[in-house]
Amino acid sequence: DIQMTQSPSSLSASIGDRVTITCRASQGINNYLNWYQQKPGKAPKLLIYGASNLQSGVPSRFSGGGSGTDFTLTITSLQPEDFATYYCQQSYSQKTFGQGTKVEIK
Amino acid sequence: QVQLQQWGAGLLKPSETLSLTCAVYGGSFSVYYWSWIRQSPEKGLEWIGEINHSGRTNYNPSLKSRVNISIDPPKNQFSLNMSSVTAADAAVYYCARGRKKGDYDTSAFWTWGQGTLIIVSS
Repeated sequence: DIQMTQSPSSLSASIGDRVTITCRASQGINNYLNWYQQKPGKAPKLLIYGASNLQSGVPSRFSGGGSGTDFTLTITSLQPEDFATYYCQQSYSQKTFGQGTKVEIK
Repeated sequence: QVQLQQWGAGLLKPSETLSLTCAVYGGSFSVYYWSWIRQSPEKGLEWIGEINHSGRTNYNPSLKSRVNISIDPPKNQFSLNMSSVTAADAAVYYCARGRKKGDYDTSAFWTWGQGTLIIVSS
């Protein structure tokens, strides 16, 4: 199995901050990496696919980068609606998720 | 716009079989893979398996022995059966739309159902 490790597990940030979340794969996955946002009681929502492609309707303050084993999700100016938990997910071999990063209000 | 609506029994006894169904509204049912995913505090998000319109399946190896995913194309529905459940199978179960057939660049979970809470208790 390919293991996905996110860091940090949680972070506190203020409105307007730039936030970066890291996801590392236990082996190379090319760019088969997706990012999701989940709010309490709701299903995850796809934000980024193929490591860097913004899903339709997702604000441009979200961006993804990386390839191989190391990936990032960046929110350039944190908004109130962005406080949520974020997950990475690889689709290179089977499908596995990271453990999540909870973004909280400072 | 594709929408997924899922249903099934939410309270099970140990050793029973979990059965969930997901109906797909809108979009083209036949060109995508359709997945089941579960989420628990202990294991986080865990992909269970997927099926396409032709009935071709892929399963998470860790669950393969107990899982069967089937499809009913005339009804635009697909289903999950998981046998011999234990407390470890308690989770919120989601159905989701996956990649287009033949297009690995679209390999993500694009649309999700609302989730079904499964409790396992004697």
